[in-house]
Amino acid sequence: DIVLTQTPLSSPVILGQPASISCRSSQSLVHSDGNTYLSWLQQRPGQPPRVLIYKISNRFSGVPDRFSGSGAGTDFTLRISRVEAEDVGVYYCMEATHFPPYTFGQGTKLEIK
Amino acid sequence: EVQLVESGGGLVQPGGSLRLSCAASGFTFSNYWMSWVRQAPGKGLEWVANIKQDGNRKYYVDSVKDRFTISRDNAKNSLYLQMNTLRVEDTAVYYCARWGSGYEVPQNWGQGTLVTVSS
Repeated sequence: DIVLTQTPLSSPVILGQPASISCRSSQSLVHSDGNTYLSWLQQRPGQPPRVLIYKISNRFSGVPDRFSGSGAGTDFTLRISRVEAEDVGVYYCMEATHFPPYTFGQGTKLEIK
Repeated sequence: EVQLVESGGGLVQPGGSLRLSCAASGFTFSNYWMSWVRQAPGKGLEWVANIKQDGNRKYYVDSVKDRFTISRDNAKNSLYLQMNTLRVEDTAVYYCARWGSGYEVPQNWGQGTLVTVSS
């Protein structure tokens, strides 16, 4: 099975400053159809997760443009250009290239410093 | 508006059974793959199972194979998870999710239902 390793596991950030989270896969996430099915999800405290980014860099409907995704192959990054208070929560990368199973990273907790 | 409402969670003893339900509304249920994803207390997300639109293809994480069964009733816009031979490590919030085909990610999530397996 694929292993997704996120770093850091915890990220204290000053409001208005940028933040980035890395997700590294144990195998390439390039699918035979040419797509790379790597997504990012946000889980605010006490809430279910919601999708931020799909296929590396595509923002989901309603997601602010301060969120961006990048990467290729086995290394991926989620960036927040200017952190806002509502961004506090846990962020997960998820791959759907090598299903089953679908695999999540262990999560990165974003908190305000 | 897409709505997914889970029910059926609760306290059950190890070795027991439980059936979770998910009532879907706000979209054409029969057009979508559906998923169950769980989250143990204070832990990360774990995909549990997926089911195709017509119910004829199902996938499971290895840890629940032969114990859990995902099913759906398109006439009732409902998704189910039959959980047998429950273990302490199955304790989690179970989320119902609409799978985003093309996006290949659970794009809409319910609020979840808590399953606690304990003696």
